[in-house]
Amino acid sequence: QKEVEQDPGPLSVPEGAIVSLNCTYSNSAFQYFMWYRQYSRKGPELLMYTYSSGNKEDGRFTAQVDKSSKYISLFIRDSQPSDSATYLCAMSGGSNYKLTFGKGTLLTVNP
Amino acid sequence: DGGITQSPKYLFRKEGQNVTLSCEQNLNHDAMYWYRQDPGQGLRLIYYSQIVNDFQKGDIAEGYSVSREKKESFPLTVTSAQKNPTAFYLCASSIDRGVAYGYTFGSGTRLTVV
Repeated sequence: QKEVEQDPGPLSVPEGAIVSLNCTYSNSAFQYFMWYRQYSRKGPELLMYTYSSGNKEDGRFTAQVDKSSKYISLFIRDSQPSDSATYLCAMSGGSNYKLTFGKGTLLTVNP
Repeated sequence: DGGITQSPKYLFRKEGQNVTLSCEQNLNHDAMYWYRQDPGQGLRLIYYSQIVNDFQKGDIAEGYSVSREKKESFPLTVTSAQKNPTAFYLCASSIDRGVAYGYTFGSGTRLTVV
């Protein structure tokens, strides 16, 4: 079992839709959880950061962490064409002092 | 503005040639990382360095070499031993060794073998 699993998509939605992106993980020591957004031919940029379990909201974006299920989610409300990108989950914790990334989900929001 | 600068943006390598990718940061971050990104394979760690004059191999270090002589700089050399070097290379840094606050990435270098 891989440490982090992420559905690669691609995911295509109409403008204004609610998008749900998810990752599962196997390492129970993970306690820092992040979502990165990567536009084509660019470096990833940190979008959301969450420590331990719970929800965090920032504008149209909500990150959720369920440590009991080893499951994290990113919700995008009122999606826009400018949200079209690859979204990577990442996590770290315990003796794992490096970030472990999911493979990324390619999202396209159609106008 | 603080950030990570990778250069060049595009690089072409001939067979049997060594090339060096530059990575410079002015964020005063301790740790720096090199990743390779291929379609469908996600980010794969090549090398990382937590302090000056020290670095460790990542998951796919064969055919690559690095140095960390200054805190700000972490260049990556792709040697002729790397048989499939065509990829998008990303440099990153983190403020602490525990990466509790994530990485800051550069804008990447696309390397193509010609």
